[in-house]
Amino acid sequence: QKEVEQNSGPLSVPEGAIASLNCTYSDRGSQSFFWYRQYSGKSPELIMSIYSNGDKEDGRFTAQLNKASQYVSLLIRDSQPSDSATYLCAVMGGNRDDKIIFGKGTRLHILP
Amino acid sequence: SQTIHQWPATLVQPVGSPLSLECTVEGTSNPNLYWYRQAAGRGLQLLFYSVGIGQISSEVPQNLSASRPQDRQFILSSKKLLLSDSGFYLCAWSPWDRGAYEQYFGPGTRLTVT
Repeated sequence: QKEVEQNSGPLSVPEGAIASLNCTYSDRGSQSFFWYRQYSGKSPELIMSIYSNGDKEDGRFTAQLNKASQYVSLLIRDSQPSDSATYLCAVMGGNRDDKIIFGKGTRLHILP
Repeated sequence: SQTIHQWPATLVQPVGSPLSLECTVEGTSNPNLYWYRQAAGRGLQLLFYSVGIGQISSEVPQNLSASRPQDRQFILSSKKLLLSDSGFYLCAWSPWDRGAYEQYFGPGTRLTVT
């Protein structure tokens, strides 16, 4: 059973600080990794994808991947109240008929 | 650019009634299509996925079915709804033919079975 684990939170972070969200996965053959943001009552929105070990930066967001440790993280710099949401980690194999496995998400609360 | 549509946005149906939810994608061809359900306070549950017209794979045995009559149209159906079918139904697409595997979600349909 392929699994993606996240701390459910809530994770409370002061405005302007760095929010760090973590995720581990069980399938060592996983090739594609994603972070989604989901506001309450809305659908998930893709914010980052990462395919190789290391860091990938996009604006205030940095995704970090360590395949040896089976660990993915998302850093949000200069956290804003609008970043308050649930963040879903998602992991996929390398074939067209592979399914994305989603974690249950971490609730992030940015304190004004 | 690509756009994904779902309708209706909200739906209240009695137990035992039929269901039809529709999803369409614009601006791409030959996408992978997915139906997910998200129950209150729970994670995303993959229900069905399709890699082409008429090709449907079911992930969870249940009273739901899916069809893909056209390349960019995906329909979720039920003949008789159960209380446990309540939830947030999400359609997603993936641009597989560009070598990208990200999934993009539609706005969702919130279904309440009474």
